[in-house]
Amino acid sequence: DVKVTQSSRYLVKRTGEKVFLECVQDMDHENMFWYRQDPGLGLRLIYFSYDVKMKEKGDIPEGYSVSREKKERFSLILESASTNQTSMYLCASSPWTGEDNQPQHFGDGTRLSIL
Amino acid sequence: AQSVAQPEDQVNVAEGNPLTVKCTYSVSGNPYLFWYVQYPNRGLQFLLKYITGDNLVKGSYGFEAEFNKSQTSFHLKKPSALVSDSALYFCAVREERGYSTLTFGKGTMLLVSP
Repeated sequence: DVKVTQSSRYLVKRTGEKVFLECVQDMDHENMFWYRQDPGLGLRLIYFSYDVKMKEKGDIPEGYSVSREKKERFSLILESASTNQTSMYLCASSPWTGEDNQPQHFGDGTRLSIL
Repeated sequence: AQSVAQPEDQVNVAEGNPLTVKCTYSVSGNPYLFWYVQYPNRGLQFLLKYITGDNLVKGSYGFEAEFNKSQTSFHLKKPSALVSDSALYFCAVREERGYSTLTFGKGTMLLVSP
């Protein structure tokens, strides 16, 4: 079974702090994704990566950056945390099979509160 | 641009009754369609997908979904609901061609009463 592990289930940080959210997958998947989930808004894509050291902006990249130095690890960085970044953050991964129709596998999420 | 609509925020059904969670989509070409379920304080779990072929797709936990190209719909169904099916359900779509990402609907909360 695919395992996507997010380093923290709950995190509380202060406004202006630099925040790191870590995600590791154990199935050698090429693709990795970061979403945020807010009530009534569903999932919105922040950043994604199709390979090591590659990154692409999603729908809401402002205020975030990412790092993918190793294939199994994809980090989300809040450069200077603000209260409107309080949310549930979900990491996902999927394999590349040539047609990109494979389901994404999700971690259990990090509930981040910015005070 | 691709989009997904889940017109119901919440669906209520009694245990043992059939359930339907609605989803309509919009893409330029042919769609890849997915259903996911989310239990409280957990990530999303994959239920089923439509890529091509039969319009009726069977998935995990007894769920199935019917692809209707003319109505651009992909409704999730189950013949007999269980209380344990109560959860948040997401429909997602991407185009068959190109290098697009998944677009998710806003989710539908399914509540199954005993």
